[in-house]
Amino acid sequence: GQSLEQPSEVTAVEGAIVQINCTYQTSGFYGLSWYQQHDGGAPTFLSYNGLDGLEETGRFSSFLSRSDSYGYLLLQELQMKDSASYFCAVRDNTGANNLFFGTGTRLTVIP
Amino acid sequence: EAGVVQSPRYKIIEKKQPVAFWCNPISGHNTLYWYRQNLGQGPELLIRYENEEAVDDSQLPKDRFSAERLKGVDSTLKIQPAELGDSAVYLCASSLGPGANVLTFGAGSRLTVL
Repeated sequence: GQSLEQPSEVTAVEGAIVQINCTYQTSGFYGLSWYQQHDGGAPTFLSYNGLDGLEETGRFSSFLSRSDSYGYLLLQELQMKDSASYFCAVRDNTGANNLFFGTGTRLTVIP
Repeated sequence: EAGVVQSPRYKIIEKKQPVAFWCNPISGHNTLYWYRQNLGQGPELLIRYENEEAVDDSQLPKDRFSAERLKGVDSTLKIQPAELGDSAVYLCASSLGPGANVLTFGAGSRLTVL
């Protein structure tokens, strides 16, 4: 099976940098993804890490360390619109190949 | 191009009543997923289709839930009869294939069972 751990809530100031951590346990591993979901909205894909290291997409970066079963999402130059829930997700490679989501981190950006 | 379209957006029913949700995936996406999301939780997979075939329905409560994807395009998820614990958001997603890293989700159907 799989399990993912993320902080339930994070608060940060507009313009600052915030890091959302994710640790995972899975019987197979085929990459770590991040999704953003605003209240009442659809989860939307942010990034994917299949290999160790940092992936950067604009203000967002994502990091993976497979040896530590750990990853994080880094949001820079925070904006009020970044207030949302952020989910890490793993795709197992045991045959089902499904995407399994964590419980999410609710980010609140304050002025 | 339209994204994943779901309807209805909201549904309120009495327990023991039936309910159905409809999903139209992105054109060309062969893989379709139904997820359930409880308040404050992440999405949980209910069923995955490859074209018209349900390839993983291990998490679908088959005593009351059913799904179909006729002609490998639109899909319907049905609950009959609904229970109080079924109150949740039902999300449909699609992707190009089963190993795709990017899932595109619809806005979901929020079900409230009274």
